[in-house]
Amino acid sequence: GQNIDQPTEMTATEGAIVQINCTYQTSGFNGLFWYQQHAGEAPTFLSYNVLDGLEEKGRFSSFLSRSKGYSYLLLKELQMKDSASYLCAAMDSNYQLIWGAGTKLIIKP
Amino acid sequence: ETGVTQTPRHLVMGMTNKKSLKCEQHLGHNAMYWYKQSAKKPLELMFVYSLEERVENNSVPSRFSPECPNSSHLFLHLHTLQPEDSALYLCASSQDDGGVSPLHFGNGTRLTVT
Repeated sequence: GQNIDQPTEMTATEGAIVQINCTYQTSGFNGLFWYQQHAGEAPTFLSYNVLDGLEEKGRFSSFLSRSKGYSYLLLKELQMKDSASYLCAAMDSNYQLIWGAGTKLIIKP
Repeated sequence: ETGVTQTPRHLVMGMTNKKSLKCEQHLGHNAMYWYKQSAKKPLELMFVYSLEERVENNSVPSRFSPECPNSSHLFLHLHTLQPEDSALYLCASSQDDGGVSPLHFGNGTRLTVT
């Protein structure tokens, strides 16, 4: 079956770096998305990776290894506003999104 | 107006009520989606409309009935719901042009069935 695994919750300190991992098993692969969702708000698009490697966007970077079925989201210089849930979603060969349950990130001062 | 707007933000309804959720997108997209989000569970795709045609119906109970009158508006009609239907219902839109494009979500309707 198709499956996404990501940690349920993580805690990090303001100003530090945190890495949120995501492993996926899909029938075919057409890329991997990361979304950020603040409590009570809409998920918002952060990144899309389809080729192996690291994509950097300011304080956020996303990495993909297709051979390992693995991705991570790296957040640097953490700010209190980064407290949110981070959703990983892989797109299968039919362009259907397979979603993880999300990782709740708690930032402490 | 922001990209995708959902109303109402909160809804409490009894099991015998009939209500509708509304979604409007101002992004010029041609595909719209309904998702169900329950605590600590992955997003569940309910319905997809592309160019106003329903292209996906993931075994959703008939007590949920979607309607897409045009490419900017999407409704979810609710009747005789069950308490387990309590969840956050998210609407999303995207540009379906044969490639991969990200979803743009609304803030959702928090539904409580009593």
